Amino acid sequence: NAGVTQTPKFQVLKTGQSMTLQCAQDMNHNSMYWYRQDPGMGLRLIYYSASEGTTDKGEVPNGYNVSRLNKREFSLRLESAAPSQTSVYFCASSEAAGQGYGYTFGSGTRLTVV
Amino acid sequence: GESVGLHLPTLSVQEGDNSIINCAYSNSASDYFIWYKQESGKGPQFIIDIRSNMDKRQGQRVTVLLNKTVKHLSLQIAATQPGDSAVYFCAESPPGYSTLTFGKGTMLLVSP
Repeated sequence: NAGVTQTPKFQVLKTGQSMTLQCAQDMNHNSMYWYRQDPGMGLRLIYYSASEGTTDKGEVPNGYNVSRLNKREFSLRLESAAPSQTSVYFCASSEAAGQGYGYTFGSGTRLTVV
Repeated sequence: GESVGLHLPTLSVQEGDNSIINCAYSNSASDYFIWYKQESGKGPQFIIDIRSNMDKRQGQRVTVLLNKTVKHLSLQIAATQPGDSAVYFCAESPPGYSTLTFGKGTMLLVSP
């Protein structure tokens, strides 16, 4: 009953450092998503993968890259972290992309860039 | 770090009261809607959904109402409990879109 697992839970980076946020789901879902959440801004979509082998940009993709490693795993990479990327990052998955499918979210990664 | 709940509209109620949380959605073509609950330090959790061919849907202690004429969605929580304290988000899905669009959220504070 793990659902969506994100690692790490907390991270502090220096400006310019790189890191990869990991996400894995065990529900055999086809679609996966990365969101960031900032105070007063709600959830904003960074990238998503409608199915294995495809990725698409969301609302705020600049400064990020993603990899859909296989059906279970979808990683988010910050190549050169900036203070503006300080946020809480959520991975989510759904049975399929599009209407009628709710998301299951992970517990989040709290990232601070100093 | 700063709480996601700061800067959000807040609804404060007493335990046992009924709560109504409102959401104005943006796309008149949206025809699938979801309410999520987010407790402090956790990811959002699915509460209830509704399709546009319905005006009302009930779950356990929760009811979602949809008014397509004014693009308005509400979540009613009956007999609110301290454990209901959280941030509540609505999300919409227009036809042909691959992703959900989330509202900014409302914080619900329940006092014992």
